Amino acid sequence: SQQGEEDPQALSIQEGENATMNCSYKTSINNLQWYRQNSGRGLVHLILIRSNEREKHSGRLRVTLDTSKKSSSLLITASRAADTASYFCATPTGGGNKLTFGTGTQLKVEL
Amino acid sequence: DVKVTQSSRYLVKRTGEKVFLECVQDMDHENMFWYRQDPGLGLRLIYFSYDVKMKEKGDIPEGYSVSREKKERFSLILESASTNQTSMYLCASSKAGGRETQYFGPGTRLLVL
Repeated sequence: SQQGEEDPQALSIQEGENATMNCSYKTSINNLQWYRQNSGRGLVHLILIRSNEREKHSGRLRVTLDTSKKSSSLLITASRAADTASYFCATPTGGGNKLTFGTGTQLKVEL
Repeated sequence: DVKVTQSSRYLVKRTGEKVFLECVQDMDHENMFWYRQDPGLGLRLIYFSYDVKMKEKGDIPEGYSVSREKKERFSLILESASTNQTSMYLCASSKAGGRETQYFGPGTRLLVL
């Protein structure tokens, strides 16, 4: 199975609501990254959280990391239609140069 | 800003054809990657290169080969395309090291008929 697995697979919310996505992983990590992918496009890096951090903010994004539970969450506050995309967590593997991506959460923000 | 470009956005090929997908990055990154992305399976690593002429198999290398003759360019080759290689192919690059962000190209959607 994937090192990182996101939950839920799909999420539909109204504009202005908050969206929360979760990621679970299996092995010890030194960091975890979140990426976003607009339909039919490449992935764009959103945020990296290190293993010694519990929470990190970037604009409307808030990421938490719980290494004891091997899980992370991505919160998007006050969502907008433009946030509609797939979101992936990624963890380092193979000596750290490589990343393993989860299967992603498809977020749809409706007007 | 880092720029990763891929030679084609869309490609249609016939079974048995040799297919070349090219990727170029302009940030002097050591690492380059080829992934394929299929619905429900997420991104799967095909090959990884950490230096010129150096390569490492990823999770699904069968049916693919790669070439990295110059630092900025990483090519994915389908020696004899098959219909099960119809997919979205994504190239990425990153600096060497274990905490580096990967920068992705726009992707190539390949259809093999």
